[in-house]
Amino acid sequence: AQSVTQLDSHVSVSEGTPVLLRCNYSSSYSPSLFWYVQHPNKGLQLLLKYTSAATLVKGINGFEAEFKKSETSFHLTKPSAHMSDAAEYFCVVSTPTGGTSYGKLTFGQGTILTVHP
Amino acid sequence: DAGVTQSPTHLIKTRGQQVTLRCSPKSGHDTVSWYQQALGQGPQFIFQYYEEEERQRGNFPDRFSGHQFPNYSSELNVNALLLGDSALYLCASSFWGAYEQYFGPGTRLTVT
Repeated sequence: AQSVTQLDSHVSVSEGTPVLLRCNYSSSYSPSLFWYVQHPNKGLQLLLKYTSAATLVKGINGFEAEFKKSETSFHLTKPSAHMSDAAEYFCVVSTPTGGTSYGKLTFGQGTILTVHP
Repeated sequence: DAGVTQSPTHLIKTRGQQVTLRCSPKSGHDTVSWYQQALGQGPQFIFQYYEEEERQRGNFPDRFSGHQFPNYSSELNVNALLLGDSALYLCASSFWGAYEQYFGPGTRLTVT
């Protein structure tokens, strides 16, 4: 079984300040972890992914996430927020099915990021 | 290179009716997954198709069924619609066994 908990439903920051979106996961196997972003009335865009390589993962638009197995966490960060970062962010876990396929993505409930000028 | 496309964009149906949603995967991808995103929630996995067979299924009733065609495109069918089926339906494509999936813009289904 796998699950994801996003610890904040809403995060509000000022433009130019750091962003931290928190995510904890649970998985019976070595997971792959992702962050997706969803702008209003748009589809989901992949920000970054962790697939058992380097624990610090860099994504698009200056976002990073660090995989911490001991804490079962995969928090998303960005040093300086931009107005265009305002969106909903989803932490996602995927684990192998029968040892062969990464099929099912399990999403967290989402964190809405608001950026104030 | 076209990404994942879905049709229609919006759909309004009445309770008890049936609906078919369509998805064309990203060029080169052979696997299609479907997700339901209710308002204010994260997407929930419905099922996944590869080689024209359902490979995995989430906790959705049999009213939800699907199909994959030889060209890898896919359909999602929902029978006996309920008000609770109102949601954004997302299609995602990938290579079989790959970690990451690419999502289409979704079909917004409203059941009245």
